[in-house]
Amino acid sequence: EAQVTQNPRYLITVTGKKLTVTCSQNMNHEYMSWYRQDPGLGLRQIYYSMNVEVTDKGDVPEGYKVSRKEKRNFPLILESPSPNQTSLYFCASEWGGTQYFGPGTRLTVL
Amino acid sequence: AQSVTQPDIHITVSEGASLELRCNYSYGATPYLFWYVQSPGQGLQLLLKYFSGDTLVQGIKGFEAEFKRSQSSFNLRKPSVHWSDAAEYFCAVGGGSSASKIIFGSGTRLSIRP
Repeated sequence: EAQVTQNPRYLITVTGKKLTVTCSQNMNHEYMSWYRQDPGLGLRQIYYSMNVEVTDKGDVPEGYKVSRKEKRNFPLILESPSPNQTSLYFCASEWGGTQYFGPGTRLTVL
Repeated sequence: AQSVTQPDIHITVSEGASLELRCNYSYGATPYLFWYVQSPGQGLQLLLKYFSGDTLVQGIKGFEAEFKRSQSSFNLRKPSVHWSDAAEYFCAVGGGSSASKIIFGSGTRLSIRP
């Protein structure tokens, strides 16, 4: 089944404790993105990647890092999480202009 | 500046009634337009998209949308809603290629009255 998977689905952590949210897609898509969703703000793009080893900032990249060592994986890294990064995070892959979303990761930073 | 506006934050309609969700966009080039639906606790699923051609596009679950260039609108419609349509709906605009960015509206939450 074609899909985008994310792990973990839920995470509660404390300020400053490094964490990684994994994202994997099995559709061989070159383009992948990370978004955060906050009430009333819709989805805002954090980072995107056009291919292996090619990444760039989206609208709200501060406090986040990404890597793209393999085509299928696009992890999101929070080196020192802060409470304002409490949000719902979505990974997506894209083909032909259409985004295919993962199920989301709900992150709470205390 | 590129933007998407969904003027209705929350809409409630009765089951069986018709539905129209509004979307207005601002985009410098030829827009590629999308509607996504997010059910509670779920990711976003593509309902329909407009790239070119017929301005009335059909999507999944009985939804349709009409692109009106003169009004910069891409409103979503359904003739008769079902309780399972309760969800959040997002309009989005992009350039249609991997190099272009997709901009999402802030969403419209749809509630269904029994």
